[in-house]
Amino acid sequence: EADIYQTPRYLVIGTGKKITLECSQTMGHDKMYWYQQDPGMELHLIHYSYGVNSTEKGDLSSESTVSRIRTEHFPLTLESARPSHTSQYLCATRGPHNSPLHFGNGTRLTVT
Amino acid sequence: QKEVEQDPGPLSVPEGAIVSLNCTYSNSAFQYFMWYRQYSRKGPELLMYTYSSGNKEDGRFTAQVDKSSKYISLFIRDSQPSDSATYLCAMSGTGGFKTIFGAGTRLFVKA
Repeated sequence: EADIYQTPRYLVIGTGKKITLECSQTMGHDKMYWYQQDPGMELHLIHYSYGVNSTEKGDLSSESTVSRIRTEHFPLTLESARPSHTSQYLCATRGPHNSPLHFGNGTRLTVT
Repeated sequence: QKEVEQDPGPLSVPEGAIVSLNCTYSNSAFQYFMWYRQYSRKGPELLMYTYSSGNKEDGRFTAQVDKSSKYISLFIRDSQPSDSATYLCAMSGTGGFKTIFGAGTRLFVKA
């Protein structure tokens, strides 16, 4: 059962296009995260949110932006996609205290 | 130097073997330790979650944490072809939000 929904699952777009990756959750968690994952590499945190109207940049420099207008929704936007943005993007949530992360199934983005 | 080191493999074993997966880390502030399993084209799925040192068992899976050596392990007994996946170790500190991941070990279990 998927409590974290990411759409689209796969996306191939041309350079310069604006795209939004969607992430929705039904877990009621305040904390949400976006990670970038490349083959054979560690997951890198690019954005996170502690709750509505809270957004912060993560460790990995990213040209993307995020918004958190509703608890259950945490979209990620690329204003002008480039081939260097080709990667898998994973959305995650976290419950209270020191709960572990729970992940969606990711969006695999290819920019041509 | 990376905060978390994990052998990328691939590790290939016959069905029924005991598998040992390991990670080392450098930050003594880590208190929570996790293992995730990731199938191809899927997101990471939480397998084991432990606090501080010690062992935790769940079915065929056992997680071990040795904080004195900064070393964590995941053992899989009676491995099955369905266990073929990438296994990610992860860890975080008390009160913080940041979780640090290893690069993952690819495991193949041959029937």
